[in-house]
Amino acid sequence: GAVVSQHPSWVICKSGTSVKIECRSLDFQATTMFWYRQFPKQSLMLMATSNEGSKATYEQGVEKDKFLINHASLTLSTLTVTSAHPEDSSFYICSASGQGGSPGELFFGEGSRLTVL
Amino acid sequence: SQQGEEDPQALSIQEGENATMNCSYKTSINNLQWYRQNSGRGLVHLILIRSNEREKHSGRLRVTLDTSKKSSSLLITASRAADTASYFCATCNSGGGSNYKLTFGKGTLLTVNP
Repeated sequence: GAVVSQHPSWVICKSGTSVKIECRSLDFQATTMFWYRQFPKQSLMLMATSNEGSKATYEQGVEKDKFLINHASLTLSTLTVTSAHPEDSSFYICSASGQGGSPGELFFGEGSRLTVL
Repeated sequence: SQQGEEDPQALSIQEGENATMNCSYKTSINNLQWYRQNSGRGLVHLILIRSNEREKHSGRLRVTLDTSKKSSSLLITASRAADTASYFCATCNSGGGSNYKLTFGKGTLLTVNP
């Protein structure tokens, strides 16, 4: 199946700093990318949907100035957690869909665990 | 709010037994998918069943879908210790335009004891 690479896998940062997480589709063009957040033993919560070249659409309750999403190319989307605080510590997972797939057929990255001290 | 709700929340069985997990949802869907997640890892897509399908098989997996009851089940036969993971159902519906959204349930933690 299609491969989605997410980097970094783990990141620890100080409170107040910004952290960037990258999501790359390695062998297909990702027209749409999704960013999810998962707390321990919880489900995945959709944060935002981004189409290449367009502004991301954020879910209700997700601060777009806090979680900056850029989808500048068909193979790369980035999530930047700005001025991170301990409550932002979570597991962030990206997924991507490409043209020609079934509706909702997504390929997931391995996730990035963010710990804010 | 969560679209899919799995039950049970946790299931512990012995190797070789079958494991059944259920998922209920509330709104109309385009398809329903099941995913597996090992602790601290990303999601692995297991199977997709479309709204006009009632049953689907893949290896030791069997998925059913009852749109009248808005429910689905995932059966893993002849379970192995390596099947230990969290299993999520995800409902797919239109997010507007050509976008489709996946909404995940809370998951079932399956433990298969050797």
